[in-house]
Amino acid sequence: NAGVTQTPKFQVLKTGQSMTLQCAQDMNHEYMSWYRQDPGMGLRLIHYSVGAGITDQGEVPNGYNVSRSTTEDFPLRLLSAAPSQTSVYFCASLPDAGTGPVGTQYFGPGTRLLVL
Amino acid sequence: AQSVTQLDSQVPVFEEAPVELRCNYSSSVSVYLFWYVQYPNQGLQLLLKYLSGSTLVKGINGFEAEFNKSQTSFHLRKPSVHISDTAEYFCAVSEYGGSQGNLIFGKGTKLSVKP
Repeated sequence: NAGVTQTPKFQVLKTGQSMTLQCAQDMNHEYMSWYRQDPGMGLRLIHYSVGAGITDQGEVPNGYNVSRSTTEDFPLRLLSAAPSQTSVYFCASLPDAGTGPVGTQYFGPGTRLLVL
Repeated sequence: AQSVTQLDSQVPVFEEAPVELRCNYSSSVSVYLFWYVQYPNQGLQLLLKYLSGSTLVKGINGFEAEFNKSQTSFHLRKPSVHISDTAEYFCAVSEYGGSQGNLIFGKGTKLSVKP
């Protein structure tokens, strides 16, 4: 298993440009999510999905869109990038999105985004 | 709403010394508790988690944490650290009965182990 993969590893954008951060997992996990990490802020949840076709907002959703058409993929879209979106973005997945025993959440290696 | 406070942003310590990284949380409902480690330029790796039962939880790499409900704390400890433990450590909670994957993180503690 490759686990959770993210592409690209690093990206530079100009203000107003759009892009999609890719996230894929090959573990057949129901739950996937996106976090952003800023210095001194920890990680904050952007969007999450409890299964294909189901998405919901996290703590900081503004400026980001997501969709979940397959179990494996959960792309994050920036429609019009702003300097405030400069951050490191992590995708994560979890086997079971339900309320049973908590499984181990796996994090991808991250995407560093710089918006000029 | 839940919140997590990591009381120290940086903790310097000498190799083979003990270390404690402090974490307090606030929540109106029961929570699950986690500690994650992030090595430089890498993603997060789960160290340990508290779901229920024994309040002393043992994790990987010799770390352990103790859940104290009355003090709403979940401090991480290691009796003897190594240079390789240098990393950033995050405490996190998720709400019992809610979407278990939605984590609220603390701001992190950078552990620096010196020879």
